[in-house]
Amino acid sequence: DQQVKQNSPSLSVQEGRISILNCDYTNSMFDYFLWYKKYPAEGPTFLISISSIKDKNEDGRFTVFLNKSAKHLSLHIVPSQPGDSAVYFCAARNNAGNMLTFGGGTRLMVKP
Amino acid sequence: NAGVTQTPKFRVLKTGQSMTLLCAQDMNHEYMYWYRQDPGMGLRLIHYSVGEGTTAKGEVPDGYNVSRLKKQNFLLGLESAAPSQTSVYFCASRTDAVLPIQYFGAGTRLSVL
Repeated sequence: DQQVKQNSPSLSVQEGRISILNCDYTNSMFDYFLWYKKYPAEGPTFLISISSIKDKNEDGRFTVFLNKSAKHLSLHIVPSQPGDSAVYFCAARNNAGNMLTFGGGTRLMVKP
Repeated sequence: NAGVTQTPKFRVLKTGQSMTLLCAQDMNHEYMYWYRQDPGMGLRLIHYSVGEGTTAKGEVPDGYNVSRLKKQNFLLGLESAAPSQTSVYFCASRTDAVLPIQYFGAGTRLSVL
């Protein structure tokens, strides 16, 4: 039973446009959410996070939105750049533990 | 600025062979983690440690053992490798601060034939 799901395995957008990556979760005990970015042959790198007490967090071109009632979060990248092409993972922390639960990832391709 | 270093980067094993993957971090982090990444399944936690001398099971611990004898090192062992353990393995570490941000190594690609 996947507690964190990224239902779109891939997404293709044009350079300069907005990229929206989505993530759904089922566990209401998750209290912190993170997005990681992964290039081929490298480890995931932390991108942006949001606490469950907030509904939005912004860092430059990256904004994460959290809708707790829908158990849904999204990552917006504006404007998208070719260097953003990577696999993006969302992850969630259970407030009872020290672990993160990851989604399956979405491959973003930004075309020049 | 090494961060999290994994050794080796690539390995091919035959079924039944054993091996140890080494993870070293130079950030003085308390927590360390081992994950495996398989296509479409994201990262799944194998084992983790909340400090030197401690280990705990994650989501998919069967067939693996770990040890954390020194704070900076976290070892992942496969006693008798199986083809189902073909995967990319990632190690991560984090501080014990409130923010649960984990920092990852570059990964070890393991093939079991």
